[in-house]
Amino acid sequence: GNSVTQMEGPVTLSEEAFLTINCTYTATGYPSLFWYVQYPGEGLQLLLKATKADDKGSNKGFEATYRKETTSFHLEKGSVQVSDSAVYFCALVTSGGSYIPTFGRGTSLIVHP
Amino acid sequence: DAGITQSPRHKVTETGTPVTLRCHQTENHRYMYWYRQDPGHGLRLIHYSYGVKDTDKGEVSDGYSVSRSKTEDFLLTLESATSSQTSVYFCAISEPGTSGRYSYEQYFGPGTRLTVT
Repeated sequence: GNSVTQMEGPVTLSEEAFLTINCTYTATGYPSLFWYVQYPGEGLQLLLKATKADDKGSNKGFEATYRKETTSFHLEKGSVQVSDSAVYFCALVTSGGSYIPTFGRGTSLIVHP
Repeated sequence: DAGITQSPRHKVTETGTPVTLRCHQTENHRYMYWYRQDPGHGLRLIHYSYGVKDTDKGEVSDGYSVSRSKTEDFLLTLESATSSQTSVYFCAISEPGTSGRYSYEQYFGPGTRLTVT
């Protein structure tokens, strides 16, 4: 079956620090990969995605590269802001079936001024 | 932003009472999903729908039922609420292929916080 493993949180950083949140996966078939972000009191929002090996998804200064050889999709940002404080979820979907995602457990990011 | 609303946004109910949560979308997406989110458990799929009147169970479906009589509405019913069903419930929608091949992303509603006392 499919699975997604994310680093345990919370991750605590100072403003302008570099962020990496690790995500590795196992999948039957060829997955599409996603990062979602959840701000306090809200639903999840799509942050970025990549649909094939070596693709780089990017949005709002965040980036992640689909690495098939290491089955990874690590999220990075060069300089975090207090407003980036949220929970980040890595997810994958394989084609066919009912397109049900497999989500990681989520990683909480806390950014201090 | 995808047009997804959930109602009610907050509800407090007593053990043993029936509860219905509503998800409404204006995107005409074929797939709709109900999740619950609990500390330490992440997101867990309750039920999903792949078309009008077409539904199936997720990993935590016991004690829940769903109905979808129109494309835009997906109802989640707790037949007899229990304290273990206290949670935040999220609806999500998906329409594979709308933003390119292999575009399987989901769009989430704002959530319903349910407390069963």
